[in-house]
Amino acid sequence: GDSVTQMEGPVTLSEEAFLTINCTYTATGYPSLFWYVQYPGEGLQLLLKATKADDKGSNKGFEATYRKETTSFHLEKGSVQVSDSAVYFCALGGVIQGAQKLVFGQGTRLTINP
Amino acid sequence: GAGVSQSPSNKVTEKGKDVELRCDPISGHTALYWYRQSLGQGLEFLIYFQGNSAPDKSGLPSDRFSAERTGGSVSTLTIQRTQQEDSAVYLCASSYRTSGGFTYEQYFGPGTRLTVT
Repeated sequence: GDSVTQMEGPVTLSEEAFLTINCTYTATGYPSLFWYVQYPGEGLQLLLKATKADDKGSNKGFEATYRKETTSFHLEKGSVQVSDSAVYFCALGGVIQGAQKLVFGQGTRLTINP
Repeated sequence: GAGVSQSPSNKVTEKGKDVELRCDPISGHTALYWYRQSLGQGLEFLIYFQGNSAPDKSGLPSDRFSAERTGGSVSTLTIQRTQQEDSAVYLCASSYRTSGGFTYEQYFGPGTRLTVT
């Protein structure tokens, strides 16, 4: 079935470091791909999305490119800040087993130290 | 505008009791989703509504779980005879229909933290 595999955490970086969180997926059909972020004590927020192959989603300095050939949607940021500390979830969305839903990866906890 | 709201924000209940969790989606969103977030299980899809009907209930973990939606708006998730393994954060999300169909972009509520003692 459809699934998402994310880089295991936790990930700890220093401020201004380069960030990559790997995400690969398995899907039948052509899903949309998403990164959601959950800041401490808050709900899930959409960070960025891509709806077709080669699309690049970007927001708040984060980027991810929908790579059909490698079935990947890796999240990157060139210079992280303490305020980026959160849990990041990669997800694919579409009609899966007859239901419109998101399938999430396990989440990656990111901590940025000053 | 107002986002997805959920109530209560926290619920502590004794094992064996029934609980009802409520979700109020964004106005105009026709699709509504329930997920469960628990340690060790990540984010798990439970059920999806299009309007008032639920095309797929297979994500519900057991027959103790049920959900309904009325008037194409508010939804309630009911858990009967709660067990300790039901302890989790229950998340509700909604989405809208675009001219090309659903975008699958879902907007999440803050969740209800359920603790079964």
